[in-house]
Amino acid sequence: EPEVTQTPSHQVTQMGQEVILRCVPISNHLYFYWYRQILGQKVEFLVSFYNNEISEKSEIFDDQFSVERPDGSNFTLKIRSTKLEDSAMYFCASSGTGNQPQHFGDGTRLSIL
Amino acid sequence: ELKVEQNPLFLSMQEGKNYTIYCNYSTTSDRLYWYRQDPGKSLESLFVLLSNGAVKQEGRLMASLDTKARLSTLHITAAVHDLSATYFCAVDTGGADGLTFGKGTHLIIQP
Repeated sequence: EPEVTQTPSHQVTQMGQEVILRCVPISNHLYFYWYRQILGQKVEFLVSFYNNEISEKSEIFDDQFSVERPDGSNFTLKIRSTKLEDSAMYFCASSGTGNQPQHFGDGTRLSIL
Repeated sequence: ELKVEQNPLFLSMQEGKNYTIYCNYSTTSDRLYWYRQDPGKSLESLFVLLSNGAVKQEGRLMASLDTKARLSTLHITAAVHDLSATYFCAVDTGGADGLTFGKGTHLIIQP
């Protein structure tokens, strides 16, 4: 069964540094999403992406964040000037259409020191 | 702002018992999902409920959706230890919108 894959599985970064989290969505999917889950808390929507542009973003997704689909397969989340509170699990998801269920990757655990 | 409330947030139960987890949401939606998450793991899709009155069952789990009441339930029948996990409901308001998750129900099933 096709899967959403994310790399790396764990990223440790010094505060203030930039990180790029990578995702390969399911190949025929058109909608891509990033979510974040702070340890022990609920999953929070960050951004959705369709047709090479951001469709919707939450209040969390401020100027510190950006997304890109640099080629036909990867979908990346860049976090600039990381802060301690950016430590969380980041999940990528994709869906075939906006009305189909979203399939989640295994997540990247981001630890900011 | 869409609010999704689950209860209970924590549930400890014995094997063999039945229980129901509730998910209330604050705006019109006819698409709701249930996910399971094991500690440190990703979100596993359990059920997709796409219309009022939808009922789906998989093994010991059954989910239902009442869009008029803005309520979904996840019923556990004759619980077994392997069902111990955190269960999230998530509401989809359509299009490219992200899902809005509840806080999750941390379920522990004791032998």
